[in-house]
Amino acid sequence: AQKVTQAQTEISVVEKEDVTLDCVYETRDTTYYLFWYKQPPSGELVFLIRRNSFDEQNEISGRYSWNFQKSTSSFNFTITASQVVDSAVYFCALSVVPGGKLIFGQGTTLQVKP
Amino acid sequence: DAGITQSPRHKVTETGTPVTLRCHQTENHRYMYWYRQDPGHGLRLIHYSYGVKDTDKGEVSDGYSVSRSKTEDFLLTLESATSSQTSVYFCAISDQTDRGSGANVLTFGAGSRLTVL
Repeated sequence: AQKVTQAQTEISVVEKEDVTLDCVYETRDTTYYLFWYKQPPSGELVFLIRRNSFDEQNEISGRYSWNFQKSTSSFNFTITASQVVDSAVYFCALSVVPGGKLIFGQGTTLQVKP
Repeated sequence: DAGITQSPRHKVTETGTPVTLRCHQTENHRYMYWYRQDPGHGLRLIHYSYGVKDTDKGEVSDGYSVSRSKTEDFLLTLESATSSQTSVYFCAISDQTDRGSGANVLTFGAGSRLTVL
């Protein structure tokens, strides 16, 4: 069975601090995809990144970076110099082949205070 | 914005009544999904569809049924609503072309908040 765990339920930081959101996944499949979605207070779900199991390169996009480590089954998300607009619920998700259905973690609520 | 709309956006109903939520897309995407979001559980898959009249159960399908008679519409029905089905329901679509591919990026609707009294 597949599972995604986001152990941090809520995180609160002050603006400009760096923050890392943890994601640990479980699967016996060798081919899979990992995702991060953002849910701002308005409620919609916004896709941030997709990474396949054969690509362990870290990725940076502006203030966002992702660290994928198969050895620890983790796909962590770091926001550098956080801003109030980063306040949201962040979901990590797993998709295995075949099937393609997304399995979500419980979500981490990030609050960035001015 | 992706052409995906959910209706109704908000609904309050009583235990035992039937409820139907509608998801409509204008993207002609083959794949559609219904998730529910509850505190502490993230999003959990209820049902999904790989095409017209091709549907399957997700991890929390008990008490729910779905229908897809047209590519653009995916209906979620609660035959007899219970208080445990109070939740926010999200529809999602995907342009995945291969059923065996796990690479699909889901685009989500705005959500439907259902309260069962």
